[in-house]
Amino acid sequence: EAQVTQNPRYLITVTGKKLTVTCSQNMNHEYMSWYRQDPGLGLRQIYYSMNVEVTDKGDVPEGYKVSRKEKRNFPLILESPSPNQTSLYFCASSLKGGNYGYTFGSGTRLTVV
Amino acid sequence: AQSVTQLGSHVSVSEGALVLLRCNYSSSVPPYLFWYVQYPNQGLQLLLKYTTGATLVKGINGFEAEFKKSETSFHLTKPSAHMSDAAEYFCAVSLDTGRRALTFGSGTRLQVQP
Repeated sequence: EAQVTQNPRYLITVTGKKLTVTCSQNMNHEYMSWYRQDPGLGLRQIYYSMNVEVTDKGDVPEGYKVSRKEKRNFPLILESPSPNQTSLYFCASSLKGGNYGYTFGSGTRLTVV
Repeated sequence: AQSVTQLGSHVSVSEGALVLLRCNYSSSVPPYLFWYVQYPNQGLQLLLKYTTGATLVKGINGFEAEFKKSETSFHLTKPSAHMSDAAEYFCAVSLDTGRRALTFGSGTRLQVQP
């Protein structure tokens, strides 16, 4: 089944403790992206990647890092999480980018206390 | 810059009534437009998309949307609401630019009353 898999689904952590949210897709898509969803704000792009070793900032990149060492994986790293990063996070992939539409993962609900 | 405005953060309809969710966009070039649906505790699923050609686009679950360039709108409709349509709906726009990102509206939560 074609899908985007994110882990974990739920995560509660403390301020400053480094964490990684994993994302993997099995569709051989070139484009991958991370979004955060906050009430009343819709989805905002954090980082995106157009292909292996090609990543760039989205609209809200502060406090996040990403890497794209393999085509299928695009982990999101929070090196020193803060409470304002409490949010619902989605990984998405696309054949070549937005014009093709996205396939979304199921989401990761992160709480930073 | 591209942007998307969804009018009404909450819409409530009766079962069997018309569903109309509004979306307006701003874009200096021809846009690609999308509607996504998000059910509770799930990711977003593509309902339909407009790229080029026919301005009336049909999607899954009986939804359709019409691209109106003169009004810069892409409203989502369904003739008869079902209880299972209760969800949050997001309009999104993509421009054929280097970043290749989708820009999303803030969402409309649809409630269906029995």
